[in-house]
Amino acid sequence: AQTIHQWPVAEIKAVGSPLSLGCTIKGKSSPNLYWYWQATGGTLQQLFYSITVGQVESVVQLNLSASRPKDDQFILSTEKLLLSHSGFYLCAWSLLGVNYAEQFFGPGTRLTVL
Amino acid sequence: GEKVEQHESTLSVREGDSAVINCTYTDTASSYFPWYKQEAGKSLHFVIDIRSNVDRKQSQRLTVLLDKKAKRFSLHITATQPEDSAIYFCAASGEGKLIFGQGTKLSIKP
Repeated sequence: AQTIHQWPVAEIKAVGSPLSLGCTIKGKSSPNLYWYWQATGGTLQQLFYSITVGQVESVVQLNLSASRPKDDQFILSTEKLLLSHSGFYLCAWSLLGVNYAEQFFGPGTRLTVL
Repeated sequence: GEKVEQHESTLSVREGDSAVINCTYTDTASSYFPWYKQEAGKSLHFVIDIRSNVDRKQSQRLTVLLDKKAKRFSLHITATQPEDSAIYFCAASGEGKLIFGQGTKLSIKP
């Protein structure tokens, strides 16, 4: 069975500090991977996607970056947090591209920037 | 850019009644329409989807209808139960990504 793990579960960080969020998918090789951001009480916005190791496409610019160092790992980071980065970060995977298959979401990381 | 509009921000129905959530989209090239459920403080859980080659799909108490001409799709839940209470998000594929609606908070009253 496939499992998706995100870390940390929650973070409280200061404005201007760096951030690194992680996502690992076990039990599925070469998945498509996605990062989403959800403002409190808001909708989801896709940030990045990756179809293979070392390749990441940016969907929206939010002063964040992403990397895929391993087939089963997706990292979201920034060197300098903004207040607007607060929210719920969700990692997701799918077998196929966005036009074809459901995405399975991880448990999420709740980020508060003060 | 492309948009997905979810018409009902909140919806309250009595237990056992049916609920309908409506969405419209703007991208005529959209071909995949999933629905997700989010319980309070939790992540998203896939519910049901429909592809543009059909106009109806049913899974137990859930039915999705797709009207490509009107660029409209809807989620129908019959015989609602307390555990159906959650925020439901519709989405449409477009511009290489999934575009989500704003969410509908569904409350099931006893």
